[in-house]
Amino acid sequence: DAKTTQPTSMDCAEGRAANLPCNHSTISGNEYVYWYRQIHSQGPQYIIHGLKNNETNEMASLIITEDRKSSTLILPHATLRDTAVYYCIVRVTGNQFYFGTGTSLTVIP
Amino acid sequence: DTGVSQDPRHKITKRGQNVTFRCDPISEHNRLYWYRQTLGQGPEFLTYFQNEAQLEKSRLLSDRFSAERPKGSFSTLEIQRTEQGDSAMYLCASSLAPSHEQYFGPGTRLTVT
Repeated sequence: DAKTTQPTSMDCAEGRAANLPCNHSTISGNEYVYWYRQIHSQGPQYIIHGLKNNETNEMASLIITEDRKSSTLILPHATLRDTAVYYCIVRVTGNQFYFGTGTSLTVIP
Repeated sequence: DTGVSQDPRHKITKRGQNVTFRCDPISEHNRLYWYRQTLGQGPEFLTYFQNEAQLEKSRLLSDRFSAERPKGSFSTLEIQRTEQGDSAMYLCASSLAPSHEQYFGPGTRLTVT
């Protein structure tokens, strides 16, 4: 059973907001949701994480639903450099993190 | 550059040979992780160290795989008697407890012929 479910791929126009959804209906009450991205041929890069409240940093915003069963990563002004695979991650147990297959985001000029 | 480094970046080996990869984490990070990533898939957890202690191992880590972190700094991942199914990108990441924010290296791409 998948720990997280994400759309396989999405497109976004350059300069527009990219909204990437993730379902994590089995997440435990005290577990964080993490988002990473992976640009082709590079290691994954940390973006943001959150528990219950919405979070924002210089890269993105994270919106977590009140029931915590889903979240949305928002890139406010997508650029071509944001083209990557985006992973929504939950901790399975201990320090084992489940990445899933991610969403391939293509930013279109 | 003070990020996570991995060596080698690429390794081609014949089936049945042993290979060893090295990971140097960010210097003050006490947690170190190994992942494997195959084409089109996300990284899969292999094992985790806190300082020199290997605290968790995935069921993916067969008896042919062994990882060490002898002094709580760099780590090695050895694969014995490689098989074609071992062909993958092997990623290392580190973090500073109690944070789970992991910083990844560029990976070692293994090709078993």
